[in-house]
Amino acid sequence: GQNIDQPTEMTATEGAIVQINCTYQTSGFYGLSWYQQHDGGAPTFLSYNGLDGLEETGRFSSFLSRSDSYGYLPLQELQMKDSASYFCAAPPLVFGKGTRLSVIA
Amino acid sequence: DAGVIQSPRHEVTEMGQEVTLRCKPISGHNSLFWYRQTMMRGLELLIYFNNNVPIDDSGMPEDRFSAKMPNASFSTLKIQPSEPRDSAVYFCASSYRGNSPLHFGNGTRLTVT
Repeated sequence: GQNIDQPTEMTATEGAIVQINCTYQTSGFYGLSWYQQHDGGAPTFLSYNGLDGLEETGRFSSFLSRSDSYGYLPLQELQMKDSASYFCAAPPLVFGKGTRLSVIA
Repeated sequence: DAGVIQSPRHEVTEMGQEVTLRCKPISGHNSLFWYRQTMMRGLELLIYFNNNVPIDDSGMPEDRFSAKMPNASFSTLKIQPSEPRDSAVYFCASSYRGNSPLHFGNGTRLTVT
């Protein structure tokens, strides 16, 4: 089967650093993507890893380890606007259930 | 770049009625995807097209659901007859090719009473 696991909720304070972890079991793996979705909005692309290691895409970066079937999205210098749901995905077929991140003052 | 355009934004209908959701992908994108999002099940891929051809429709829940892509700039998702359990947000997304980043439309919030 195909499955992606990520934490359901996280809370952090402004200015802090958090890491959203993701583990996956998929067939035909082509890479791991991360999307952000604000309440009432559409998912928007943040970052993609086709190869192992750290990938930086503008403000966002993401890490992948194929041998561990594991990836993470580090978020630094959190701002209130970072409060959103973050989805790990092995597109286009499988999305995780999302991690709801709340940034508090 | 207008992005992926979906219509309507909201649809409220009664059980048994036909519902048609529409999507215009980004020009030049070769792949189009229909997703359904609910609190319980998250984002589920219903069907995707490559160059207007349906590639995988295994996510379509029942025969009541059908999707078409008559040309590169338009797709529809039809539910007939609709049921209350079809209530969800339906997203259309497009990408340059199958594994490229997905660009999502703003979604259609469907409520079936």
